[in-house]
Amino acid sequence: AQKVTQAQTEISVVEKEDVTLDCVYETRDTTYYLFWYKQPPSGELVFLIRRNSFDEQNEISGRYSWNFQKSTSSFNFTITASQVVDSAVYFCALSEAEVYSGGGADGLTFGKGTHLIIQP
Amino acid sequence: DTAVSQTPKYLVTQMGNDKSIKCEQNLGHDTMYWYKQDSKKFLKIMFSYNNKELIINETVPNRFSPKSPDKAHLNLHINSLELGDSAVYFCASSRERNSYNEQFFGPGTRLTVL
Repeated sequence: AQKVTQAQTEISVVEKEDVTLDCVYETRDTTYYLFWYKQPPSGELVFLIRRNSFDEQNEISGRYSWNFQKSTSSFNFTITASQVVDSAVYFCALSEAEVYSGGGADGLTFGKGTHLIIQP
Repeated sequence: DTAVSQTPKYLVTQMGNDKSIKCEQNLGHDTMYWYKQDSKKFLKIMFSYNNKELIINETVPNRFSPKSPDKAHLNLHINSLELGDSAVYFCASSRERNSYNEQFFGPGTRLTVL
């Protein structure tokens, strides 16, 4: 079965520091998709990025960047020059392309989240 | 306009009661989902619903039942509420039942069972 591990429960850094959130996944499928979501203190879930298993190019969006490495089954997220507004819980998630059989609901499999605290 | 909306935002009720949470999406999406986020922030899929096909996570008690009056709505009914049902429940939708599509989440409903 698929699994997503975010080993860092909580990270606290001072504003303007760079910070990397780790995500390691397990899947039997050869085609799958990885996602990052942000959950700010207000509670909503905000989509950040999607990456498919055949595209290992790193992606940069402003201060955010993602490093996908199939060899280590990792999809890490880096925030450069962190800001207080980046404080949130960040979730990594996995979705398998093949129809899930065996009684489970298809949908995202989430990691347990990393609580990022940016101190001013 | 809110893409995925849920009502109520907060729900406090007594053990043993029956309650419903409503979800509506105005994105024209084909697939909707319910997730449960527990007190440790762990998010877990409960149901997915697509073209009248309901897929249930095997760990969900049968006290929980989704009801879809039309493609834009997927309501969650919970019978005989228990203390352990206290959580935040998120509705989500995606364009298709396809693992590629990102899911858009509602604002969540915080359920407290006393």
